[in-house]
Amino acid sequence: KAGVTQTPRYLIKTRGQQVTLSCSPISGHRSVSWYQQTPGQGLQFLFEYFSETQRNKGNFPGRFSGRQFSNSRSEMNVSTLELGDSALYLCASSIRGDYNEQFFGPGTRLTVL
Amino acid sequence: QKEVEQNSGPLSVPEGAIASLNCTYSDRGSQSFFWYRQYSGKSPELIMSIYSNGDKEDGRFTAQLNKASQYVSLLIRDSQPSDSATYLCAVKGQAGTALIFGKGTTLSVSS
Repeated sequence: KAGVTQTPRYLIKTRGQQVTLSCSPISGHRSVSWYQQTPGQGLQFLFEYFSETQRNKGNFPGRFSGRQFSNSRSEMNVSTLELGDSALYLCASSIRGDYNEQFFGPGTRLTVL
Repeated sequence: QKEVEQNSGPLSVPEGAIASLNCTYSDRGSQSFFWYRQYSGKSPELIMSIYSNGDKEDGRFTAQLNKASQYVSLLIRDSQPSDSATYLCAVKGQAGTALIFGKGTTLSVSS
């Protein structure tokens, strides 16, 4: 069974640009959560999607947005990039949003110059 | 602001010893507690979950929960060098709330 996949794995952008990251969950998983991981703040929750609906949202500015498609694949978008957005962005999938069944993808390393 | 606190470490133990990792949380209404292991350059992987007070054992791992003290711990018996990683404590409150992670404790097991 294939795991969670994320594309691209690495990304370099400049301030002010926007970026879109993609996450394909494990087959049959309908919940996708996004996290930002930085050395200073650790792992922080961005948002969760379940059956194309945002079910929960973390404390991030509106520049961070996401969506989920009918096949459960999810994208997150960050507009007007700032230096502080440099981080590892992780997505995790689960069948129904049960955290005891949550599996993480390898992450996308975003560097903002 | 709901918080999950962990000592950053590093926690250094010799091979074969017991490693004890601790975590405290601020939200008294928290209901679900998880321990993740993250190797350097890798993504987190779930190793234990615990929902009720007491101990839960899984192989060399034991999770302990004390809701009255708002404290959760992870014991690793017979520690191996392959256990060297960062251990993240995560706590979930009531329905509709997000999973909150601690910043992790780095464990180093020396052979």
